[in-house]
Amino acid sequence: GEDVEQSLFLSVREGDSSVINCTYTDSSSTYLYWYKQEPGAGLQLLTYIFSNMDMKQDQRLTVLLNKKDKHLSLRIADTQTGDSAIYFCAEMVQEVALIFGKGTTLSVSS
Amino acid sequence: GAVVSQHPSWVICKSGTSVKIECRSLDFQATTMFWYRQFPKQSLMLMATSNEGSKATYEQGVEKDKFLINHASLTLSTLTVTSAHPEDSSFYICSARGGSGPTYEQYFGPGTRLTVT
Repeated sequence: GEDVEQSLFLSVREGDSSVINCTYTDSSSTYLYWYKQEPGAGLQLLTYIFSNMDMKQDQRLTVLLNKKDKHLSLRIADTQTGDSAIYFCAEMVQEVALIFGKGTTLSVSS
Repeated sequence: GAVVSQHPSWVICKSGTSVKIECRSLDFQATTMFWYRQFPKQSLMLMATSNEGSKATYEQGVEKDKFLINHASLTLSTLTVTSAHPEDSSFYICSARGGSGPTYEQYFGPGTRLTVT
């Protein structure tokens, strides 16, 4: 079945870049997403990438997609303490449902 | 941007009772709504998908008689947890999708924390 894997924790210092990695299994996924969840809150869509793209940049966020290896990454430049949260990678399957990874907890220290 | 609300944000109920959670799309018509369950430090697990006016499609392992979903209008879906037990305690999140726009974007509600005592 579909599965999305992420590393569980990442710790960086303020001002450094953060890179969160994700692997997925469904090669037919049309869209791949990165969501952010702050404590006690719902999910906020950060960015998404269409499966025929290799890279997408949106201000401090850069998404890289290696479709051959089914690998997705999110790079956050100049990481700030406000970026501390859980980041979920998700793939869309059958053009309807989202399958989420377990989430990567990003901790930013000043 | 599109806003999805959930009510209540937190509910505590006694074992054996039923509790209803509402999910509303405030500024768009949601043709499809999704219900997810999230355990602490865990991923979101899709429970069911509902299209307005039709029966919900439940994921494998989700009891449809226990988790009743009603998507009666284009802006409202409800999840009723019937005969709740402590193991039903969880964070329930809904999302809504308006049509089949190019981004296939789902908008998420803030979640409802259910505690069954």
